[in-house]
Amino acid sequence: QSVLTQPPSVSAAPGQEVTISCSGSSSNIGNNYVSWYQQLPGTAPKLLIYEGNKRPSGIPDRFSGSKSGTSATLGITGLQTGDEADYYCGTWDSSLSGGVFGGGTKLTVL
Amino acid sequence: QVQLLESGPGLVKPSETLALTCAVSGGSISSYYWSWIRQPAGKGLEWIGRIYSSGSTDYDPSLKSRVTMSLDTSKNQFSLKLTSVIAADTAVYYCARVGRGWFHFDYWGQGTLVTVSS
Repeated sequence: QSVLTQPPSVSAAPGQEVTISCSGSSSNIGNNYVSWYQQLPGTAPKLLIYEGNKRPSGIPDRFSGSKSGTSATLGITGLQTGDEADYYCGTWDSSLSGGVFGGGTKLTVL
Repeated sequence: QVQLLESGPGLVKPSETLALTCAVSGGSISSYYWSWIRQPAGKGLEWIGRIYSSGSTDYDPSLKSRVTMSLDTSKNQFSLKLTSVIAADTAVYYCARVGRGWFHFDYWGQGTLVTVSS
């Protein structure tokens, strides 16, 4: 049982937009920035978004992050078949004094 | 470009100690936190802990009694030891750098599969 809650799966057509939610509490998302990771099949996770809405060099602006209260959202526009992957949210939990992740969301581009 | 590479036995017997090392190249281990994260087959990511270049550590509460992290600045590498392993510790183990600013992982190793079995 993950500390952060994500939907198991989402799907959308190529070219469309999708959002992935990440729900937590005041001890994690409510008082800390969320990061998002993309994990393509058989590979290590890759940082997509950090400090809520910042993108590392090389990550296209099709990917965006936002937060409201104790929930965060990853948005992906202009979906491509290459975006099919598992997506994870993560942050620090002040009560646990440790890092926490969501259970992951599998994105299918139909 | 920072690169991380995990190494260690791929098979560990139950009740024994899992030991992995992460070699860092393309950047110094100093002034950063470094983490271990694992992923059981078909499941999500699990944070194991982090170590700062000074040697201070934070561990996941559920693993704290069995985990030890250390680092060797002269070799630019850090290590994980997990004692009394059980089958549920079977996973791909990743090492990662904790980026500057708020908690996030900006560089990851490729991961190494560790199987706990007799």
